[in-house]
Amino acid sequence: QSVLTQPPSVSGAPGQTVTISCTGTSSNIGAGYHVHWYQQLPGAAPKLLIYNDNNRPSGVPDRFSGSKSGTSASLAITGLQADDEAEYYCQSYDNSPSFGTGTKVTVL
Amino acid sequence: QMQLQESGPGLVKPSETLSLTCSVSGGSVTSPSYYWAWVRQSPGKGLEWLASIINSGSTYYNPSLKRRVTISIDASDNQFSLQLTSVTAADTSVYFCAKHLSSPWTPFFYWGQGALVTVSS
Repeated sequence: QSVLTQPPSVSGAPGQTVTISCTGTSSNIGAGYHVHWYQQLPGAAPKLLIYNDNNRPSGVPDRFSGSKSGTSASLAITGLQADDEAEYYCQSYDNSPSFGTGTKVTVL
Repeated sequence: QMQLQESGPGLVKPSETLSLTCSVSGGSVTSPSYYWAWVRQSPGKGLEWLASIINSGSTYYNPSLKRRVTISIDASDNQFSLQLTSVTAADTSVYFCAKHLSSPWTPFFYWGQGALVTVSS
């Protein structure tokens, strides 16, 4: 149903870097729409992590960074920490707001 | 700090109408620059935007649900609401109310904690 595809899961050891991809098409990301990223801890509401491709809201550590190229976007988490273990969603637009399929990040 | 809180029945029968309210504190639903929204998440599934509204009356709906969804603002109680008609088991979800950063083409910055609604007879 989602038009934005993410890997179901990624994992890394503490201190490592993980990258989550968000693959769209020419009608969403490729059309120039911004990409946003959310972190969702178990049982909680999503939290905005990155907006407009590569901007961090106040209070979000600079360990989180976003990028976009062509029809895809990526979220990188450097210096992985135990409390980064969560579900991560990208969001863009395809005539209306659309979310990615979600990626579970596991800290080994 | 703005806070949002969903409320409404946790159980709705098939074919009936799901109604939820979002109470807003720390801001006014009638602000000319605030856009409000509903997003849902089916159990174990991803996120789905349902609708957005601004007090001027402009509304935006997910095309796949447009015929069944209504979003509205209740200025007197500083709330906004969601109605989803003719529900089925597929509408069982956690429903979040949210506020856009600015326009409907901006991210969801503030979120409620979510309300689980189960559709079952």
